Amino acid sequence: GAGVSQSPSNKVTEKGKDVELRCDPISGHTALYWYRQSLGQGLEFLIYFQGNSAPDKSGLPSDRFSAERTGGSVSTLTIQRTQQEDSAVYLCASRNIAGGDTQYFGPGTRLTVL
Amino acid sequence: AQSVTQPDIHITVSEGASLELRCNYSYGATPYLFWYVQSPGQGLQLLLKYFSGDTLVQGIKGFEAEFKRSQSSFNLRKPSVHWSDAAEYFCAVGGSQGNLIFGKGTKLSVKP
Repeated sequence: GAGVSQSPSNKVTEKGKDVELRCDPISGHTALYWYRQSLGQGLEFLIYFQGNSAPDKSGLPSDRFSAERTGGSVSTLTIQRTQQEDSAVYLCASRNIAGGDTQYFGPGTRLTVL
Repeated sequence: AQSVTQPDIHITVSEGASLELRCNYSYGATPYLFWYVQSPGQGLQLLLKYFSGDTLVQGIKGFEAEFKRSQSSFNLRKPSVHWSDAAEYFCAVGGSQGNLIFGKGTKLSVKP
């Protein structure tokens, strides 16, 4: 597609449930990033995928968070046993490593944990 | 550690007035610097970026920013603000893995 897409756009869940958030990067972009945007914390880096290399998980806030990227394209961010503090907008971005350092962001998924 | 500071949480300017949004960074090497804008309910859009070379960079929508190494700053400017510029603005520095380290953002309101 023309840009980064994310689904769902909104997700409301109950505390303790698992959620999956999806990101479709720009075609051909080998680098993919997940960020979280929450009130009071601003924009935080979560995880980074580059090609077939092991992901950089240094930003994940707890072991309830995980992500995978299948076939070097689509990525899924999974949050297990959601907590109310997980409520935030989750943003995905992709980058063409060969084309410079500009990251292109998707519209985000707004997660609300009740 | 790398960090970005945007000292102004909220700024209000009159339409047609000039604008300067402040950004200071902490980074050991030559930084890659970015300004993004986020309109309500929208994703982040890149306004401009600095990698090297000319320290005054031009961006979209009439914005510019100047990199000043001596002040560790990368302030965003616009000579005449339009009502449609009302949004939240984020300064960011490129991290070691290419991830972005963001400031807390500055919300811009525009008075008619």
